[in-house]
Amino acid sequence: QKEVEQDPGPLSVPEGAIVSLNCTYSNSAFQYFMWYRQYSRKGPELLMYTYSSGNKEDGRFTAQVDKSSKYISLFIRDSQPSDSATYLCAMKDNQGGKLIFGQGTELSVKP
Amino acid sequence: DVKVTQSSRYLVKRTGEKVFLECVQDMDHENMFWYRQDPGLGLRLIYFSYDVKMKEKGDIPEGYSVSREKKERFSLILESASTNQTSMYLCASSFLDGREKLFFGSGTQLSVL
Repeated sequence: QKEVEQDPGPLSVPEGAIVSLNCTYSNSAFQYFMWYRQYSRKGPELLMYTYSSGNKEDGRFTAQVDKSSKYISLFIRDSQPSDSATYLCAMKDNQGGKLIFGQGTELSVKP
Repeated sequence: DVKVTQSSRYLVKRTGEKVFLECVQDMDHENMFWYRQDPGLGLRLIYFSYDVKMKEKGDIPEGYSVSREKKERFSLILESASTNQTSMYLCASSFLDGREKLFFGSGTQLSVL
């Protein structure tokens, strides 16, 4: 079993839709939860960062962490064609461990 | 803005060649990383370095070596390239206490024929 599981998609939605991207994990020691966005032919860039549990909002993006269920989500409201990218979840413990990435979900937002 | 620059965007090499991938960062980051990214397998850590001349193996170090002679530069070396090393290679950097906040380069797509 992988430490982090992420549905690779692809996911295609119409412009303006609410998008939900999810990851599950097995290591209860994870404390840092990130979402990276990767445009085609580019490196990933950090989109959202959450420590421990709870929600974090940044504009149209909301990250949620449910540690009891070992489940994290990224919501995109009013999705735009410019949101078309691969979204990778990533997690780390607080003992100096490595960053563990999900496979990435490919999202396409159609005009 | 942090900039992580990888020397080549596309590279084509022959089996058995020695290959050097170079990465330079301009934010005085202590940590530097090399990942490879393959469809269906996601990002896998090859090597990382937390200081000049220091290196740690990642999850898939076999067939690779690294060099960090200066803080801003981290090189990945394929001693004898093989076809199964065809991949997208991504360099990243971070502050010493910020391994979760990585800054990536644009990647080098390496094809080994």
